[in-house]
Amino acid sequence: DAGVIQSPRHEVTEMGQEVTLRCKPISGHNSLFWYRQTMMRGLELLIYFNNNVPIDDSGMPEDRFSAKMPNASFSTLKIQPSEPRDSAVYFCASIPYGDLGGYTFGSGTRLTVV
Amino acid sequence: GESVGLHLPTLSVQEGDNSIINCAYSNSASDYFIWYKQESGKGPQFIIDIRSNMDKRQGQRVTVLLNKTVKHLSLQIAATQPGDSAVYFCAESSNFGNEKLTFGTGTRLTIIP
Repeated sequence: DAGVIQSPRHEVTEMGQEVTLRCKPISGHNSLFWYRQTMMRGLELLIYFNNNVPIDDSGMPEDRFSAKMPNASFSTLKIQPSEPRDSAVYFCASIPYGDLGGYTFGSGTRLTVV
Repeated sequence: GESVGLHLPTLSVQEGDNSIINCAYSNSASDYFIWYKQESGKGPQFIIDIRSNMDKRQGQRVTVLLNKTVKHLSLQIAATQPGDSAVYFCAESSNFGNEKLTFGTGTRLTIIP
């Protein structure tokens, strides 16, 4: 298995632009998570899905952030409009349903908003 | 709110020595804990986990100790190697039907050759 695949690996964009981050979970994993990592705040859970349905989006910082999971093999995290404070590494992770020990993270997308 | 925190942000250890990384948690309902290793440019990788009904669990060169009385977790790495240099995170879950993990802020472990 190729693991959790995220794209792009790096994204540099100007303030105000729309940014879309992509994630392909491990096949057969029922739950998908989006995390944001910064030096100041560490790893923060933004949103997670179970069977493609958003379960908890309480970590989404504001309305500029949105996430979708149209099918079991694909999810997007969108920021519109982007701001410099959104600069961070965004990780996607997936697990088989209920198996917290099975958390597998992607390699992350490093987002820089200038 | 509840949080998971770490005592030390950095730790340097001589190669071959043992290292201990500590973690404090505040959620008394936490019942599942995981240690992750994150190397530069990579996502966190699972190392070892422990449930609250245990106080010790061992893996290959790693041991996790859980003290529920003082809400403290530690990761011991034996005979450290250069490849152990990374940031280590503890994470916890209060598994009341949810799959959310709360992560600590991380400790950077540097192995000195």
